Amino acid sequence: EADIYQTPRYLVIGTGKKITLECSQTMGHDKMYWYQQDPGMELHLIHYSYGVNSTEKGDLSSESTVSRIRTEHFPLTLESARPSHTSQYLCASSHSHTEAFFGQGTRLTVV
Amino acid sequence: DQQVKQNSPSLSVQEGRISILNCDYTNSMFDYFLWYKKYPAEGPTFLISISSIKDKNEDGRFTVFLNKSAKHLSLHIVPSQPGDSAVYFCAASARGTYKYIFGTGTRLKVLA
Repeated sequence: EADIYQTPRYLVIGTGKKITLECSQTMGHDKMYWYQQDPGMELHLIHYSYGVNSTEKGDLSSESTVSRIRTEHFPLTLESARPSHTSQYLCASSHSHTEAFFGQGTRLTVV
Repeated sequence: DQQVKQNSPSLSVQEGRISILNCDYTNSMFDYFLWYKKYPAEGPTFLISISSIKDKNEDGRFTVFLNKSAKHLSLHIVPSQPGDSAVYFCAASARGTYKYIFGTGTRLKVLA
């Protein structure tokens, strides 16, 4: 069973608020990812990290930012939430060229 | 440009029969392919993977077939069970990038 955790599971927040979505893994994986998924759509990669102090933007442009100060922790921050940010955010981790394990996701609703 | 495509948005199968989910890709640099199962409001769960050096990988009721010349892979579930009802995503990765590119998913419904 994968040990990767996301909090909160659900978040409803007002426009303009700053939010941080947490993601932690206990598997010692060097690679971590953030995906965004809207209902019925594919998972879009928005950020990834190959290790501590390494972060890259993914294939889908996002106004969010990430940091990787510790191997196990990969938080995602939105400085000013907007209704267009409403989506499901999925965090994942992997070790080298193997399968990625996902957390349970955070469903964000911005009102 | 969608590099991983799942052209069937949905599939219904009778319990006990075979479910076949298909996936096509365009990037010839992909060398590792994965299938995930996803329930609403949850994260995807890894099912099975295959490396480009193989053309078949089997794990219990799940078998993945890879046809590199056609850039096509398929997931076979046999026998299908009602608990298999979920959305199935195909994903691909290229060595050196470590990024996983996902298809749009196929919703499988197994009828009891």
